[in-house]
Amino acid sequence: GENVEQHPSTLSVQEGDSAVIKCTYSDSASNYFPWYKQELGKGPQLIIDIRSNVGEKKDQRIAVTLNKTAKHFSLHITETQPEDSAVYFCAASKPGNTPLVFGKGTRLSVIA
Amino acid sequence: DGGITQSPKYLFRKEGQNVTLSCEQNLNHDAMYWYRQDPGQGLRLIYYSQIVNDFQKGDIAEGYSVSREKKESFPLTVTSAQKNPTAFYLCASRIGDGTEAFFGQGTRLTVV
Repeated sequence: GENVEQHPSTLSVQEGDSAVIKCTYSDSASNYFPWYKQELGKGPQLIIDIRSNVGEKKDQRIAVTLNKTAKHFSLHITETQPEDSAVYFCAASKPGNTPLVFGKGTRLSVIA
Repeated sequence: DGGITQSPKYLFRKEGQNVTLSCEQNLNHDAMYWYRQDPGQGLRLIYYSQIVNDFQKGDIAEGYSVSREKKESFPLTVTSAQKNPTAFYLCASRIGDGTEAFFGQGTRLTVV
């Protein structure tokens, strides 16, 4: 089955700097790659997603890149703010309404 | 408002007892999922259902059971056979292939 690896597990950045979180997946059939943000004691919320027919997607300070050949995708957050501090999860799924498989998460701390 | 609701938010169980976690959605989604979250483990799939009256085991189904009698509801029972049930449980739903999964706010289960 699909396996998603996520790095780093923790990341600390100064406010205003950029943060990058990387994920790799094992199944070349996977075609949907969302990123979720989870605040303490709450459920994860989608922040951005990308499909396999696209190499990059941007939404204001957040961008995701996908390299299908290498089977990895990355989340980029620019001009980080303290409210960006949270746990971020990447995930992947295959066609056929299969469940999302999640990475183990990255705890991002933005230091003011 | 459309959404996915989990209850209760906190649940305490005595050893040897079965408990049932509720998950209801009014998003008209066909697929529903249960994930377990432990510190540093990410989200691990317990059970999922792609349609009413049908469900499949995920990666860690032992000690859990589910039912899907209605499209809106996907309750999870944690049985006494689950040896380490203390965790944060998340329910999610999605409309179909390659789409966003919406999460509930979670139920924190503690064995006392």
